[in-house]
Amino acid sequence: ELKVEQNPLFLSMQEGKNYTIYCNYSTTSDRLYWYRQDPGKSLESLFVLLSNGAVKQEGRLMASLDTKARLSTLHITAAVHDLSATYFCAVDKNRDDKIIFGKGTRLHILP
Amino acid sequence: GAVVSQHPSWVICKSGTSVKIECRSLDFQATTMFWYRQFPKQSLMLMATSNEGSKATYEQGVEKDKFLINHASLTLSTLTVTSAHPEDSSFYICSAPSAGAIGNTIYFGEGSWLTVV
Repeated sequence: ELKVEQNPLFLSMQEGKNYTIYCNYSTTSDRLYWYRQDPGKSLESLFVLLSNGAVKQEGRLMASLDTKARLSTLHITAAVHDLSATYFCAVDKNRDDKIIFGKGTRLHILP
Repeated sequence: GAVVSQHPSWVICKSGTSVKIECRSLDFQATTMFWYRQFPKQSLMLMATSNEGSKATYEQGVEKDKFLINHASLTLSTLTVTSAHPEDSSFYICSAPSAGAIGNTIYFGEGSWLTVV
């Protein structure tokens, strides 16, 4: 059974600081997704990582995938208040579009 | 771009009644759609895979007789919560994959809030 673990589950940080959210998964996969969710809303797709060593960046967020270590990271650079949200990683184990989510990281950025 | 739409966005129903939630792919066809449930401040839990023209596949622990899924066309899947109880109150989200040049893109609906009173 696929397990997706994120840490930390809650993160409070100051504006301007850097931090990394980690996502470990239990079985082989080369499809990993990062989503953002604002309170009361659905998911916003941030990154799709489809191969070992994949790195993608959008603004202050950068995601990477190490399939050998079964690890993905979401790095936040010089955080701003607008990045406050819950961030989920999700894994597609069998390439069947059925994705399993981690528990999410609630990110609170203090002004 | 491709969009997945859910209806209703929110619904309140009385205990014991049934409520239907629709998930539509607006500009692409989806032979498969997925239904998730999310309780407040928790993650998304996969409930079932909706298969066009055949029975849905339910995840372990999800009651198929309580959560009826019908995928009658290539653009529509419905989730019916039967004999709803307050503990069924949740945020229900569907997803649908759209074929692309480098693989499928998964689109999520806007979600449907269900409150059972």
